[in-house]
Amino acid sequence: SAVISQKPSRDICQRGTSLTIQCQVDSQVTMMFWYRQQPGQSLTLIATANQGSEATYESGFVIDKFPISRPNLTFSTLTVSNMSPEDSSIYLCSVAAGGVDEQYFGPGTRLTVT
Amino acid sequence: GQQLNQSPQSMFIQEGEDVSMNCTSSSIFNTWLWYKQDPGEGPVLLIALYKAGELTSNGRLTAQFGITRKDSFLNISASIPSDVGIYFCAGQLASGSRLTFGEGTQLTVNP
Repeated sequence: SAVISQKPSRDICQRGTSLTIQCQVDSQVTMMFWYRQQPGQSLTLIATANQGSEATYESGFVIDKFPISRPNLTFSTLTVSNMSPEDSSIYLCSVAAGGVDEQYFGPGTRLTVT
Repeated sequence: GQQLNQSPQSMFIQEGEDVSMNCTSSSIFNTWLWYKQDPGEGPVLLIALYKAGELTSNGRLTAQFGITRKDSFLNISASIPSDVGIYFCAGQLASGSRLTFGEGTQLTVNP
């Protein structure tokens, strides 16, 4: 399995501002994903971060609100833009290594918007 | 979209008891995964299942991929306090496709 780190681990932000979350993996991986987990809820996929091209967003998530970068095979960022209290969630980075379907998760970023 | 029905939503058991939880779907899945999430942490992969009927163990944990490919269960034997957490099932329709997660089972183990 891959070792995944996320920064920041938590943050408290003012509404209307933006926060960029970083995800770093200790080895090259083929697929990286971003999930949101609202308080007391399950995980919802935001998008698949594609290396060298635009991310693939799930229904209900748009690039203007959640811009994603993936400049190489070990790093990705997710930005939560123009935040509102409804964006208060845990944001999780996940990776899948080549040829396997198992996904591994980072520790998450706990975001509170006031 | 696909939905996974995970049950029970919560369980309160005594240390040493066995636990069983399951997930069902209206869709046929290619892969079933079981995760555990501790408070303040990301989900940790416990068991991955790839074939209908497959029964796989990881220590005190045993999971099975249902014959119909529409369900899976997870058993925990002889529970201990560190088993406390939220357990999630996840299904994958095809290799490389998105995961669909169940709603989770909150497990509490009383010493």
